[in-house]
Amino acid sequence: QITLKESGPTLVKPTQTLTLTCTFSGFSLSTSGVGVGWIRQPPGKALEWLALIYWDDDKRYSPSLKSRLTITKDTSKNQVVLTMTNMDPVDTATYYCAHTRGYREWLGYWGQGTLVTVSS
Amino acid sequence: QSVLTQPPSVSGAPGQRVTISCTGSSSNIGAGYDVHWYQQLPGTAPKLLIYGNSNRPSGVPDRFSGSKSGTSASLAITGLQAEDEADYYCQSYDSSLSVLYVFGTGTKVTVL
Repeated sequence: QITLKESGPTLVKPTQTLTLTCTFSGFSLSTSGVGVGWIRQPPGKALEWLALIYWDDDKRYSPSLKSRLTITKDTSKNQVVLTMTNMDPVDTATYYCAHTRGYREWLGYWGQGTLVTVSS
Repeated sequence: QSVLTQPPSVSGAPGQRVTISCTGSSSNIGAGYDVHWYQQLPGTAPKLLIYGNSNRPSGVPDRFSGSKSGTSASLAITGLQAEDEADYYCQSYDSSLSVLYVFGTGTKVTVL
């Protein structure tokens, strides 16, 4: 059974750096093809893909946010970490992590999400 | 701003059939990239509903079906039920933007 869970701060100040951790179980990020990605959803708005890291450490980023994002993995801890710099109130959103079984394949399993509010 | 356009809302009475369109372009759906659909019940995380244009994961009722043609895709719900009231999102890949996952604008399904 695959599960994912996001953790991190619920409130960050403008200009600060956000660090979110996705802790998962039921699969290994050392398995060929597997990836874990991050997606966010501002309140009342649509989903937006942010970043994804594959089993072989291949990293992909949304072009519009690439300069602010870093995604890393710790295979031994079953964790994926996303950092986003220079946070702004428009970054207020629920952040989800999700599992994919391969390149450009669907996001088959999602975490419950964590709401991050950016405010001074 | 998404490159995949969906109607903001659709509605139907219980038992009816509703369809949700997902309109893209030659750099995503029209280029042959697969379309996937997600259901997001109120206050919950998205859940995979249809993958690879028309395939249902285990546990998804067969009243949900997907199709793709040209630069568009569609999700159909037949025999609409109250529990289907949710937001639905299509998703694909866009080669021109080099965006690994592009999501649609989302559609709210209301069961009358």
